[in-house]
Amino acid sequence: GAVVSQHPSWVICKSGTSVKIECRSLDFQATTMFWYRQFPKQSLMLMATSNEGSKATYEQGVEKDKFLINHASLTLSTLTVTSAHPEDSSFYICSARRAGGSKNIQYFGAGTRLSVL
Amino acid sequence: DAKTTQPPSMDCAEGRAANLPCNHSTISGNEYVYWYRQIHSQGPQYIIHGLKNNETNEMASLIITEDRKSSTLILPHATLRDTAVYYCIVRAGDNYGQNFVFGPGTRLSVLP
Repeated sequence: GAVVSQHPSWVICKSGTSVKIECRSLDFQATTMFWYRQFPKQSLMLMATSNEGSKATYEQGVEKDKFLINHASLTLSTLTVTSAHPEDSSFYICSARRAGGSKNIQYFGAGTRLSVL
Repeated sequence: DAKTTQPPSMDCAEGRAANLPCNHSTISGNEYVYWYRQIHSQGPQYIIHGLKNNETNEMASLIITEDRKSSTLILPHATLRDTAVYYCIVRAGDNYGQNFVFGPGTRLSVLP
């Protein structure tokens, strides 16, 4: 149990276009989902926390108008990178915390590698 | 917020036990120790967590010192597939507003 699916796994887009990444909890309900970004040879950096039915909370320095997060259901959160630029190229990873689950455990998706040309 | 300190890298021979240390000297009474690992180009994988008692599951054992200022993750029989970056994270278990902070972790290389 506790499977998180992330789609797509790899996306290449042109500069100026928008890209949507989906994060789904397949076998549990997630009241909270998290979005992280990871640059090569670096650790994961939290971008935002998404609670079902409410606005996401963004970490300092993360532009909320550029990284749109929607958590419309207990099993789905989406991250849209708007007007992507080459510096947005990175590995984006989501995680989900089970509703009523045990002790703050987060379950992670496999990640999405975004390359902006 | 409690911070953790881990060695940047470790080697382990295949089939031997891998012991990965973590220091968390400022841990609070309600904070748990969580271990995750990240295999190259994948999302982190949950391994184990604990509060003060030693814990064991099918993947690993977690040994927490009595004063809770440090812990050790033990992979009893390391395989080549255990090569990964291992993260030790300290966070409250009951406060659902708490987020994980990932440090640089320990890069474990299991050698044939």
